[in-house]
Amino acid sequence: DVKVTQSSRYLVKRTGEKVFLECVQDMDHENMFWYRQDPGLGLRLIYFSYDVKMKEKGDIPEGYSVSREKKERFSLILESASTNQTSMYLCASTIGQGSGNTIYFGEGSWLTVV
Amino acid sequence: DAKTTQPNSMESNEEEPVHLPCNHSTISGTDYIHWYRQLPSQGPEYVIHGLTSNVNNRMASLAIAEDRKSSTLILHRATLRDAAVYYCIWDNYGQNFVFGPGTRLSVLP
Repeated sequence: DVKVTQSSRYLVKRTGEKVFLECVQDMDHENMFWYRQDPGLGLRLIYFSYDVKMKEKGDIPEGYSVSREKKERFSLILESASTNQTSMYLCASTIGQGSGNTIYFGEGSWLTVV
Repeated sequence: DAKTTQPNSMESNEEEPVHLPCNHSTISGTDYIHWYRQLPSQGPEYVIHGLTSNVNNRMASLAIAEDRKSSTLILHRATLRDAAVYYCIWDNYGQNFVFGPGTRLSVLP
């Protein structure tokens, strides 16, 4: 059974802390994505990666960075967490380029910054 | 500007069909439309996807307009477990997914 796993479901962090959100997929997918989901704003793309060490900014990259050192793992980094980054974060992956491939989502990581 | 629009909410009675609409008026000829649904505290779950013609699977049917500017997700017999937020997603070359705002479906017993 294919799987996208987000290692932390619920986190509480302090303002100014460095936060790592990890995502692992076991399907040998080329593309991986990080979204945040907020009430009334829907899903917004933060970053995506189409290959190891490759990354592209999404719609709201400010305050975030990403790392993809291995094909199966895509990490989202909050260098200095702020309260406005309290949100639900979703990781997703697809097999490769081209339209029509199934999007696999993780279960989500709920981050609260206090 | 790429945009996908959906009604905020819809309601259905149990055992009745439900038609969930989506508009994607600037979609190009090779971009797929996906539908996912999301339960509280979970990630989105795949429902169906298609390109031009109507598509069917065990969960639902997808009717895509001839001009491809709109599509409709059809749940043939709604159950209480179908209550969720349904997202229409415009798949632009597999790297730019344009999410609709989602339709919250309520199913009444």
